[in-house]
Amino acid sequence: AQSVSQHNHHVILSEAASLELGCNYSYGGTVNLFWYVQYPGQHLQLLLKYFSGDPLVKGIKGFEAEFIKSKFSFNLRKPSVQWSDTAEYFCAVNAGGFKTIFGAGTRLFVKA
Amino acid sequence: NAGVTQTPKFRILKIGQSMTLQCTQDMNHNYMYWYRQDPGMGLKLIYYSVGAGITDKGEVPNGYNVSRSTTEDFPLRLELAAPSQTSVYFCASRIGQGASNQPQHFGDGTRLSIL
Repeated sequence: AQSVSQHNHHVILSEAASLELGCNYSYGGTVNLFWYVQYPGQHLQLLLKYFSGDPLVKGIKGFEAEFIKSKFSFNLRKPSVQWSDTAEYFCAVNAGGFKTIFGAGTRLFVKA
Repeated sequence: NAGVTQTPKFRILKIGQSMTLQCTQDMNHNYMYWYRQDPGMGLKLIYYSVGAGITDKGEVPNGYNVSRSTTEDFPLRLELAAPSQTSVYFCASRIGQGASNQPQHFGDGTRLSIL
């Protein structure tokens, strides 16, 4: 069965620190990959997605992610975080069809 | 566009009561989903629908029911509320078949407590 693993459940950073959140999935075929963000008290919203082409994708608010097929990974990065990036981040995979599998989420807290 | 609208935002139920969580979308999306979100557990799929009149179970369907009489609406019914159903419920929608590279659009959620 498909699964998505996010390595860190909680991350605490100071403002201006660099961020990398790990995501690995288990599926050998073609996949569509997503990162969603959930700000406190809000719904999930799309940060970025990858489905083909350049494996380095850029999203909103300075986030980017790199798809490494050989490692089944889709890690999220941001060079310099801000207090407003405090949120929960979800990696998600769709291998075709209706179903998208979500990771357990990583809670990021950025200290001002 | 309103996107995906869920009502109510908050609700407290007593054990054994029933209620319906409402979800409507105005994007003409064929696919609709109900998830529950528990701390540290991510999103678990309860039910989904690929179009009006078509629904199917997800990972955690027990204790819930759904219907899809129109493209826009996808209500979730709890028949006999149990404490294990205390959670945050999200409704989502997506364009449909052949669009697996498209994201899901989420509502604001319903925070439900069963006491």
